[in-house]
Order: sequence, then structure tokens, then C-alpha cells
Amino acid sequence: SAVISQKPSRDICQRGTSLTIQCQVDSQVTMMFWYRQQPGQSLTLIATANQGSEATYESGFVIDKFPISRPNLTFSTLTVSNMSPEDSSIYLCSVESPDRSSYNEQFFGPGTRLTVL
Amino acid sequence: RKEVEQDPGPFNVPEGATVAFNCTYSNSASQSFFWYRQDCRKEPKLLMSVYSSGNEDGRFTAQLNRASQYISLLIRDSKLSDSATYLCVVNGGDSWGKLQFGAGTQVVVTP
Repeated sequence: SAVISQKPSRDICQRGTSLTIQCQVDSQVTMMFWYRQQPGQSLTLIATANQGSEATYESGFVIDKFPISRPNLTFSTLTVSNMSPEDSSIYLCSVESPDRSSYNEQFFGPGTRLTVL
Repeated sequence: RKEVEQDPGPFNVPEGATVAFNCTYSNSASQSFFWYRQDCRKEPKLLMSVYSSGNEDGRFTAQLNRASQYISLLIRDSKLSDSATYLCVVNGGDSWGKLQFGAGTQVVVTP
């Protein structure tokens, strides 16, 4: 498995501001994923971040709202822009297993708990 | 219709008993299947992958039924520490990593 850390672990932000979440992995991985988990719900994929290319966003998520950077194979950031209370959620990054025999297995960071007032 | 559907529970299980639950998926092209465990206010953690022939990991047994498009998880000799939400996860049929998550089945093991 991969060891993944996220910063910050939690934050309380004012409406209209932006927050950048960092995700660091202890090994080089090709694909990193950003998810959102709203209270009482399951995970929803926001986008897939590959190093050296633009992130691929899922339906309902746009780059202007959730810009993503992927400068190298161990790091990514997700920014939640112009926040509103509806953005209050847990944001999780994940990576595919570095073990090539573990097809599609993903490992998750501890999450960032965001509250927007 | 949701891509992955689960009974939300809760399944209240006496310690030492067996509990089993299913999940159904809609994409017949899905190739990879997983059970994840999520504790309250924590990230999901991979419990086990589910293989076509079924597989067992200690007290946990997973089965896949491609014809009926469901997977199952059985927990034997339940422990208090098994209390969690179990997420059924299926890949979207692509060759790359996009996964679809069920909403989870809550299991509560009681003394």
C-alpha cells in the first residue's frame, strides 16, 4: 500500500474564500484522484490528476471551481474556490496501488474536513 | 438508478454471530470489485478485493455473481471492532482507475 498524507486535516473557512488542499504520497504514482464525501453520503469523484497533463473532471465539477495541480509523481493539490456552505464536505485524495498486480485498488489519504460558514 | 446500490442498514449483529450483505452494480462491463471499510470520520480502507472465484480473508468472505451483477460480503464470528460502514466499490468498466462507490452498509456489532 501507499502512505498518503493530506494538509490541512480540517479547516473552517468563510464564504467566498478559497482553500488549497495538499496531498503527498510516499511513492511515485501515475494517477491521483480527488473525491468529495458529503455528510452521510458516499464518495463522489471530483477529478483524476495525471502528472504532466490537465486534470480530468467528472460531470458536475469544473476546473474554475476545483483547480488541480500535479507537479510531480508524489504530490497534488486541490483548490476549492469561492467557497459556499454547500462546499462543506470531506475532501479525500487517493492513489492507485503501486503494486501492478493490484488492479484498480486505491488507497486514500486521511481526508480534509472542510466547513464553510 | 445508482451505479452501485447497497442496503444502508444498520445491521445489528450480536458479537460472535455471522452477518452477510450484498451490493448490486449496474455496469456489466465492470472488471474490478472491492469492499472497503470506513470507520466514523475516517477515510475508507481497502478490506478486500473480490475475485470471480470468490475469496476469503480470515473471517471475511467475498463472492461475485456476474450473471446477477452483485457482490456479497460475509463476516463470521463478528467482533466489536467490525462495527463500521462497508462500502461496495466497483470500477466503471474502463481500463483505468475510475471507481464507483456505494453509499455503504452500516454494521453494528453488539456485546
